[in-house]
Amino acid sequence: DQQVKQNSPSLSVQEGRISILNCDYTNSMFDYFLWYKKYPAEGPTFLISISSIKDKNEDGRFTVFLNKSAKHLSLHIVPSQPGDSAVYFCAASGNYGGSQGNLIFGKGTKLSVKP
Amino acid sequence: KAGVTQTPRYLIKTRGQQVTLSCSPISGHRSVSWYQQTPGQGLQFLFEYFSETQRNKGNFPGRFSGRQFSNSRSEMNVSTLELGDSALYLCASSPSYEQFFGPGTRLTVL
Repeated sequence: DQQVKQNSPSLSVQEGRISILNCDYTNSMFDYFLWYKKYPAEGPTFLISISSIKDKNEDGRFTVFLNKSAKHLSLHIVPSQPGDSAVYFCAASGNYGGSQGNLIFGKGTKLSVKP
Repeated sequence: KAGVTQTPRYLIKTRGQQVTLSCSPISGHRSVSWYQQTPGQGLQFLFEYFSETQRNKGNFPGRFSGRQFSNSRSEMNVSTLELGDSALYLCASSPSYEQFFGPGTRLTVL
């Protein structure tokens, strides 16, 4: 039973346009959400996060939106650049059992930004 | 600050052997988590250590174990290796919610 779902395995976007990556979750105990970017044979790189008490967080070209009632979050990248081409993972965390050290990951979305 | 380091980067073992992987967290981070990444299952949580104690454990068999030392460095051990243990093993250190990953150890079991 997947608690964090990224339903689009891939996304192709033109350089300069907006990339929107989506993520759904099922566990209402999750209270912190993160996005990671990953290149092959490397570890995930932390991009941006959001607490469940917020509905938006921005960092440069990256914005994460959280809709708690729909259990949905999205990552917007504006403008998209060819260097953004990578696999993007959504992850969720909850303070259950006194630990935030258990991230639940989605299966990832492969973003391709074409010049 | 130096990032999370993992050694070795690549490892080839045969079925039935055991393996130990090492992780040095970012200085000051006391929490270290381990994940397994495979093409079919994605990134799956193995366990988390905090102040030398296992604080959380994922759904993996007892062949997978770990420990953390007083300097926060961590090791994970896999005994009686199986073909299905071939994967990228990732270590992450954390000051709180955000986790910062190392480059991983690519384990191939033949």
